[in-house]
Amino acid sequence: DTAVSQTPKYLVTQMGNDKSIKCEQNLGHDTMYWYKQDSKKFLKIMFSYNNKELIINETVPNRFSPKSPDKAHLNLHINSLELGDSAVYFCASSFMELAGENEQFFGPGTRLTVL
Amino acid sequence: AQSVTQPDIHITVSEGASLELRCNYSYGATPYLFWYVQSPGQGLQLLLKYFSGDTLVQGIKGFEAEFKRSQSSFNLRKPSVHWSDAAEYFCAVGAPGAGSYQLTFGKGTKLSVIP
Repeated sequence: DTAVSQTPKYLVTQMGNDKSIKCEQNLGHDTMYWYKQDSKKFLKIMFSYNNKELIINETVPNRFSPKSPDKAHLNLHINSLELGDSAVYFCASSFMELAGENEQFFGPGTRLTVL
Repeated sequence: AQSVTQPDIHITVSEGASLELRCNYSYGATPYLFWYVQSPGQGLQLLLKYFSGDTLVQGIKGFEAEFKRSQSSFNLRKPSVHWSDAAEYFCAVGAPGAGSYQLTFGKGTKLSVIP
């Protein structure tokens, strides 16, 4: 029973391509997140969605567009991929109510390599 | 804005030895504090969390952490390390707020265990 799942696990693509990463959670959470982990393992939040509405949108190029078809899914679409987009992308979910107290559950990550 | 500092990039200990990983935070109010562990190629797993109350919190896998407000610290400890504890450890501070919530992570401490 996977709580937060991501597909694909690995993604290798050429510069300039458009790609998507999918995330699904079966925990009944109302809030989902995307984080980027760079080559130095630094984790930084990119987006947060609550009940399909964007809450947090950090300084992320507009080539990145999150899409939430329902509360259980938050997909990340990336246009015109660049070398600097190579990283591990983590999806997470939690409850928004008392979200400061409730932990965020993380997916296994998607390693994106742009050639 | 909140921030987290993990002063040690890499720590090596012998199996059976005690462990302390340091974490210092900067946040204007009472913080919500977390320790996550990331095993190689895996997502993040919550070890423990502090919100209020007893400043010594117990977590999974025999870990504990102590919140010291005067030192703005939340150090992670384990009395006897096992080889399976080798991983990357992340301290994080949660910032609750109306309509938004995010985790700010430290840059992580890599733990190596000598058999």
